[in-house]
Amino acid sequence: KNQVEQSPQSLIILEGKNCTLQCNYTVSPFSNLRWYKQDTGRGPVSLTIMTFSENTKSNGRYTATLDADTKQSSLHITASQLSDSASYICVVSGRGASGTYKYIFGTGTRLKVLA
Amino acid sequence: DAMVIQNPRYQVTQFGKPVTLSCSQTLNHNVMYWYQQKSSQAPKLLFHYYDKDFNNEADTPDNFQSRRPNTSFCFLDIRSPGLGDAAMYLCATSRGGRTYEQYFGPGTRLTVT
Repeated sequence: KNQVEQSPQSLIILEGKNCTLQCNYTVSPFSNLRWYKQDTGRGPVSLTIMTFSENTKSNGRYTATLDADTKQSSLHITASQLSDSASYICVVSGRGASGTYKYIFGTGTRLKVLA
Repeated sequence: DAMVIQNPRYQVTQFGKPVTLSCSQTLNHNVMYWYQQKSSQAPKLLFHYYDKDFNNEADTPDNFQSRRPNTSFCFLDIRSPGLGDAAMYLCATSRGGRTYEQYFGPGTRLTVT
């Protein structure tokens, strides 16, 4: 069964600290993996997208890694800011039973950054 | 410069009273999606349009319908909302359906009284 699991479910850190969020998936065949940031009450906003051949991609203070062999990804946030408080969602694109590609969402990690 | 626009942002409807949510895009993307997201859960895909081709997810209730009259607009119709349909409804677009990035709207928060 195609699944995306994220850990931890929630995380509290102090402003200025770094943190790493994890995403493990069983989606096969794999097309790409995306990380989104979703502020409370808002739609998700894309941070990074990686295909099979890419193993790291950065977007400012956000750095995503991908290990397609172990089917794991991480999102590292450097020097966290209060505005980083949000849910971070990992989405994997894979082929569904009907042959069409689907986006499979993780349930997200809820990050809270404290002053 | 909003690219995916959803109206209204907040909608209150009565149990059983039909409601329509609206989504428009300025990206000229081929694909438009409707997701339902309940509190602390991942977005759940209801259906999507690839151009005019409608694709319904197998577990989407019949109570949910959609229309796409042109490239720019897509509507979500809930024929007889139940209390369990209270959720955030997200519209998203993408240029294609596989490796292309999805762009999400801000969502419509639906309350059913």
